[in-house]
Amino acid sequence: QQQVKQSPQSLIVQKGGISIINCAYENTAFDYFPWYQQFPGKGPALLIAIRPDVSEKKEGRFTISFNKSAKQFSLHIMDSQPGDSATYFCAASMGAGSYQLTFGKGTKLSVIP
Amino acid sequence: NAGVMQNPRHLVRRRGQEARLRCSPMKGHSHVYWYRQLPEEGLKFMVYLQKENIIDESGMPKERFSAEFPKEGPSILRIQQVVRGDSAAYFCASSQRQGPAGANVLTFGAGSRLTVL
Repeated sequence: QQQVKQSPQSLIVQKGGISIINCAYENTAFDYFPWYQQFPGKGPALLIAIRPDVSEKKEGRFTISFNKSAKQFSLHIMDSQPGDSATYFCAASMGAGSYQLTFGKGTKLSVIP
Repeated sequence: NAGVMQNPRHLVRRRGQEARLRCSPMKGHSHVYWYRQLPEEGLKFMVYLQKENIIDESGMPKERFSAEFPKEGPSILRIQQVVRGDSAAYFCASSQRQGPAGANVLTFGAGSRLTVL
C-alpha cells in the first residue's frame, strides 16, 4: 500500500525555536507534496506545498525541504510561536491536480512560551 | 464565505444503527470528497462526487457505506449497520475544479466525529 511515514508523533518546542517534522514516502510516482495544518475542532488547511523539481520552498516562516533521492521531505517552522501549536500532516499525491492525497499520521506540535 | 459545512459535528450510534453525515461544499465548489481518519491514523480518501454522480469510490468499503451528492442539498455519507470499527472522524472537502493543470486545492470541513457504542 502506498504510504507516507511521518515523524515525530508529537513535538514540543520553545517559543522562538525551530520545529522540524519529517516525512518519507515509498511511491516514486508521487510528485506533489503538500503540508496541512489542523487546529483543534477545525479541518486540515493547506499550509504549503512542493513539487520534486525544487529542493526547497519557503513561505514566511515555513520551509519545505525535499530530497528526491532519499524520498524524504520535511517541514521547518522558524521562530516557532504558540499560535503555531496544531497538528501538522504531510501528504503526497500523483499530480497537483489529484484529489487522492495520501496522508501521514500527523504530528502534534506544542510551542511553549 | 462559510467554508465547507459538515453536520453533525459529533454523532453517537449503537452497533447496528445507521449514521448519516452531511456536507455542504464551499460556495462555487462543485467537487466533493470524503476522507476518513481512524484513531492514530492519517486521513484516507473514500469517495469523490460531483452533482448526481459518483466519480471515484475506490476508497469506499465494499459494504454498508454509500455516498451521494444530489442535485439539490448537501452531500451525504451513509453508513448502515455501524460497527465499532466505524468510529472515526469523517472529513468532507470540496474544490473548485478538478484537472491535471494546476493544483487542486481541497478545502476541508471541520469533520464529523462518529462514535459507535
